[in-house]
Amino acid sequence: GAVVSQHPSWVICKSGTSVKIECRSLDFQATTMFWYRQFPKQSLMLMATSNEGSKATYEQGVEKDKFLINHASLTLSTLTVTSAHPEDSSFYICSAEGIGGGREQYFGPGTRLTVT
Amino acid sequence: SQQGEEDPQALSIQEGENATMNCSYKTSINNLQWYRQNSGRGLVHLILIRSNEREKHSGRLRVTLDTSKKSSSLLITASRAADTASYFCATGPAGGTSYGKLTFGQGTILTVHP
Repeated sequence: GAVVSQHPSWVICKSGTSVKIECRSLDFQATTMFWYRQFPKQSLMLMATSNEGSKATYEQGVEKDKFLINHASLTLSTLTVTSAHPEDSSFYICSAEGIGGGREQYFGPGTRLTVT
Repeated sequence: SQQGEEDPQALSIQEGENATMNCSYKTSINNLQWYRQNSGRGLVHLILIRSNEREKHSGRLRVTLDTSKKSSSLLITASRAADTASYFCATGPAGGTSYGKLTFGQGTILTVHP
């Protein structure tokens, strides 16, 4: 089956630093990837849609200059949290949409970010 | 705001009992999906039901969709302790072929006691 990986699985960083999270589709190509954020005991909130070779589309209320998204290839999208603050601590989950008729969406295992 | 609202927010049952979770949504959809999430982990896709379908089965799972009421239900039969997890519904928007831009419900925390 289709597999999506995320790296790192967890990261602790100091306030003011930047953190990059990678999302990879391992055995399929994905023109579109999505980034979600999940706070403890809450649901997933879509942050942005990442399209290969073009700029990401951000949801309302999500700062594009703070959450930089790059989708440079059909198998990799990255999310960089710039100048991280404690309130950015969250679980970040990506998903990838396969090319093909079904266009099913496959989720990564998530990245736990803690900003101290 | 969240598209989907789920109830109950939490459900506690004994092993062997059935568990029913409900999801309501507000806008037109292309499909509705159910996911499971174990604590602190990623999502596991359970089942997808399209807007022109009314019922779908997969193993011990049964999903219904009522587009007139904008609601769906997930039934897990003969529950097991391993079914303990959070369950989310997610809707895919109408008007396009992409399933991707999902809107998630608040989730139901299911606890199955052995």
